[in-house]
Amino acid sequence: QKEVEQNSGPLSVPEGAIASLNCTYSDRVSQSFFWYRQYSGKSPELIMSIYSNGDKEDGRFTAQLNKASQYVSLLIRDSQPSDSATYLCAVNTGRRALTFGSGTRLQVQP
Amino acid sequence: NAGVTQTPKFQVLKTGQSMTLQCAQDMNHNSMYWYRQDPGMGLRLIYYSASEGTTDKGEVPNGYNVSRLNKREFSLRLESAAPSQTSVYFCASVGTSLYEQYFGPGTRLTVT
Repeated sequence: QKEVEQNSGPLSVPEGAIASLNCTYSDRVSQSFFWYRQYSGKSPELIMSIYSNGDKEDGRFTAQLNKASQYVSLLIRDSQPSDSATYLCAVNTGRRALTFGSGTRLQVQP
Repeated sequence: NAGVTQTPKFQVLKTGQSMTLQCAQDMNHNSMYWYRQDPGMGLRLIYYSASEGTTDKGEVPNGYNVSRLNKREFSLRLESAAPSQTSVYFCASVGTSLYEQYFGPGTRLTVT
């Protein structure tokens, strides 16, 4: 079982809709969770971090964490074509480093 | 303030050749990392350096060596390149929050 799992997609949503991206992790001691956005041919950029159960909102982005279910998600409201990218989930698994999922490709249709 | 820089941007090697990928950061970060990214595999940690003078193996260290030259610079060396090392290599450094990483632009390496 992979440590961090994401559906590879593509996830296709119409412009203005809510995009929901999901991630599960296997290590129960994980403490910190991150979402990165990566445009094609570019490096990942951090868009959200979350450390405790519940929701964390930042603009159009909301991260949700449920440690009991070992599940973290990212909601993007009012999706725009510029949100089309690959979204990487990353988890701190105890070392001084992150473990990344393979990413979900999001396509926002104009 | 350039952030994290990497050289070269692109490189083609023949099997058995060696090369060093360079990474530098100007944010006074203690920790630096090398990842490789392959299609469908996400980012995998090769080596990391928690502080100047220390290095540790990550998930996929075989075939690589690293040097933390000083606080700013962290290099990755391929002693004898293999086609399996064809990948995009990213360097990263850690910011004020321990696990908020800033990535360099990447080096696209092809080994023929």
